[in-house]
Amino acid sequence: TQLLEQSPQFLSIQEGENLTVYCNSSSVFSSLQWYRQEPGEGPVLLVTVVTGGEVKKLKRLTFQFGDARKDSSLHITAAQPGDTGLYLCAGEAGGSTLGRLYFGRGTQLTVWP
Amino acid sequence: ETGVTQTPRHLVMGMTNKKSLKCEQHLGHNAMYWYKQSAKKPLELMFVYNFKEQTENNSVPSRFSPECPNSSHLFLHLHTLQPEDSALYLCASSHSWTGTGELFFGEGSRLTVL
Repeated sequence: TQLLEQSPQFLSIQEGENLTVYCNSSSVFSSLQWYRQEPGEGPVLLVTVVTGGEVKKLKRLTFQFGDARKDSSLHITAAQPGDTGLYLCAGEAGGSTLGRLYFGRGTQLTVWP
Repeated sequence: ETGVTQTPRHLVMGMTNKKSLKCEQHLGHNAMYWYKQSAKKPLELMFVYNFKEQTENNSVPSRFSPECPNSSHLFLHLHTLQPEDSALYLCASSHSWTGTGELFFGEGSRLTVL
């Protein structure tokens, strides 16, 4: 079993604050995806990181893949109420389970105006 | 319509009922998936179909029976469910099963088993 641990589980902040969400595993992944799920909706892909040490930016969101491809972080600058949602990381395993995604439990983010 | 569409959005059923969840994708993808999303648990992969053929059954109880008549449609037939089966059931599709790429999810079917 390839477990992905996300922290924190819940995060409640005021608009304008910065935050970081972590996704950690003892397993190596060929790639790692971040999804956001809003209430009543399915998850929507935000970004895929593939290379160890890779950093990708999506407006106020910065994603980083660990050098060893075992962990990742999502940093949000100046959070907005529209950032509210469940953030899920998902690791893609290589080898015999190529193509299989392992999801973390998610971080529920609430941004108050 | 575009994307992945799931019906019904909400379903309440007794333990002796038989019902079905439907998923349709309009993206031209070849792989379709059923996931279970429960509170405080990671998304659980249930079934994978690639080009209509089932490529994975993740030790799912037989009271859940998938059906994939073509690459665009996926069903999940439910019978004699248990209260612990109450969850959000998400359908997803992707271009192919080899190298997952991006999963496109439907809005989910919220199932409550009484």
